[in-house]
Amino acid sequence: AQSVTQLGSHVSVSEGALVLLRCNYSSSVPPYLFWYVQYPNQGLQLLLKYTTGATLVKGINGFEAEFKKSETSFHLTKPSAHMSDAAEYFCAVSEGYGNKLVFGAGTILRVKS
Amino acid sequence: DVKVTQSSRYLVKRTGEKVFLECVQDMDHENMFWYRQDPGLGLRLIYFSYDVKMKEKGDIPEGYSVSREKKERFSLILESASTNQTSMYLCASMSSGNSNQPQHFGDGTRLSIL
Repeated sequence: AQSVTQLGSHVSVSEGALVLLRCNYSSSVPPYLFWYVQYPNQGLQLLLKYTTGATLVKGINGFEAEFKKSETSFHLTKPSAHMSDAAEYFCAVSEGYGNKLVFGAGTILRVKS
Repeated sequence: DVKVTQSSRYLVKRTGEKVFLECVQDMDHENMFWYRQDPGLGLRLIYFSYDVKMKEKGDIPEGYSVSREKKERFSLILESASTNQTSMYLCASMSSGNSNQPQHFGDGTRLSIL
């Protein structure tokens, strides 16, 4: 079965600093990978996804992620953090044609002024 | 935009009650999902459905059942609520076919069992 590991349950950055949220997955087949964001008291919102093609994927709100097959990683980055980026972020992998997603445990991002 | 609506944002019930959580989507999606979200555990799949009257167990189906009588509606049922079912419950929908399509989520129902 596929699995997702998010390194760091809490990450704290200063406003304007680089955001780096780590995600590693296990998969025996080429995966589809997703990053979702959850703001307080809301559901999950898609940030970006990787399916095939270009390994650097750009998403909403200035976020991007790079698929690295050799490292089985899909880390999320943003060059300059904004206070509004404070939220919980989830990495997920698609478990084949069954349309199911396997989620990581989540990383709470705190942005300090 | 896809709209997934969960009937209640907050719900308080008592141990032993039968609890219904409702979810409606407006995009004619074939696939619908119920997750529970707990701190440090991410989202765990309870049940999902590929079509009307179809259902499949997810990773943690014990103590739950589901109903899908109409394509747009997917209900989660706690047959006899227990305190360890206190959690955030999220519903999602997704179009059929290739699994590279994203799931669309509702705002969640925060359920407390006393």
